[in-house]
Amino acid sequence: ETGVTQTPRHLVMGMTNKKSLKCEQHLGHNAMYWYKQSAKKPLELMFVYNFKEQTENNSVPSRFSPECPNSSHLFLHLHTLQPEDSALYLCASSQEILAGGGETQYFGPGTRLLVL
Amino acid sequence: GNSVTQMEGPVTLSEEAFLTINCTYTATGYPSLFWYVQYPGEGLQLLLKATKADDKGSNKGFEATYRKETTSFHLEKGSVQVSDSAVYFCALRVGGGSNYKLTFGKGTLLTVNP
Repeated sequence: ETGVTQTPRHLVMGMTNKKSLKCEQHLGHNAMYWYKQSAKKPLELMFVYNFKEQTENNSVPSRFSPECPNSSHLFLHLHTLQPEDSALYLCASSQEILAGGGETQYFGPGTRLLVL
Repeated sequence: GNSVTQMEGPVTLSEEAFLTINCTYTATGYPSLFWYVQYPGEGLQLLLKATKADDKGSNKGFEATYRKETTSFHLEKGSVQVSDSAVYFCALRVGGGSNYKLTFGKGTLLTVNP
């Protein structure tokens, strides 16, 4: 238990559905992240929020829409996804974002998404 | 750009064997280096890290030394256990400016047999 929870743990959706992934951290951290983990590929950073402000969008298609209403919650809204978007979506948080890059990120268990 | 290369798996060992998982990197700046572990059905957990050259990170019997001259951060453990079976990820982050990206290797699956 890392203090970062994600719901749902598993999700199956059609290409025309709209769904949302939720992440909550109980660590008092100020930065939150979305990653995509696909089979046989490195983890890909999708979005970063620092003090509720989006600081990075790593060339993610607009069918993925993040929302960070407060420092403890992060959502990923999904709309008209493609089968190739099937993956494990991981949320992470860190206390801060250090200038030297040495902060520790704490990961949730992930949401396993299947797009049919 | 930044990249991490780690040895292809899977790696299969017997209990109490010595483990090495190689990791090398390229970076545009001066990175911090990390090893994360992912147990089956779980998210990633930080295993150890090093933020400057010659630092040694250690945790749970695992060690890795930041070697700037060889741009490497190899993971080692002297005697593995069945409970060490997991996927291990090497990662780096170069600080400064607006670069918040943690760059990961592809992961190495370790299976330890009794």
